[in-house]
Amino acid sequence: GNSVTQMEGPVTLSEEAFLTINCTYTATGYPSLFWYVQYPGEGLQLLLKATKADDKGSNKGFEATYRKETTSFHLEKGSVQVSDSAVYFCALKSGTSYGKLTFGQGTILTVHP
Amino acid sequence: DVKVTQSSRYLVKRTGEKVFLECVQDMDHENMFWYRQDPGLGLRLIYFSYDVKMKEKGDIPEGYSVSREKKERFSLILESASTNQTSMYLCASSLFSQRQENNEQFFGPGTRLTVL
Repeated sequence: GNSVTQMEGPVTLSEEAFLTINCTYTATGYPSLFWYVQYPGEGLQLLLKATKADDKGSNKGFEATYRKETTSFHLEKGSVQVSDSAVYFCALKSGTSYGKLTFGQGTILTVHP
Repeated sequence: DVKVTQSSRYLVKRTGEKVFLECVQDMDHENMFWYRQDPGLGLRLIYFSYDVKMKEKGDIPEGYSVSREKKERFSLILESASTNQTSMYLCASSLFSQRQENNEQFFGPGTRLTVL
């Protein structure tokens, strides 16, 4: 079956530090990959996505590249801000699943001034 | 903008009560989903629906049922609430599409349910 594994958190960084949150997956077929973000008190919102191997998703300074050879989709940002403090979820959708997503366990990011 | 609304942000119920969580979306999406979110476990799919009156079990359906009588509304029902169902419940919707780029799920704000 499908599964997503994220690096354990929480992650605590100072403002302007470099961020990496690791995500690896197991899936049948050719999945689409997503990063969702959940700000305090809110539901999840899509941060970025990639639908095929070697695609790079990007948004708000965050990037992730779909690496089929390493089954990974690591999230990176060059310079984090306090406003990036949130919970980040990696997820995948396999083509046969009516749009069902399989989520990782989430990584809590806290950025200090 | 897509909007997914959930009937309550916070709910407190007693063990054994029947609980209804309501979700409404305004973008004519075919697919709707109910997840529960627990620390360290991420989001786990309870049920989903790809059409009116159609439903499919997700990964953790035990103790839950759902109803989809209208396209825009998807209800989650806890027939007899138990303390281990204390959690954050998230509803989501998406288009039914074979195109990979049209598969974003849009989430509601969540309902934090406490069962005493």
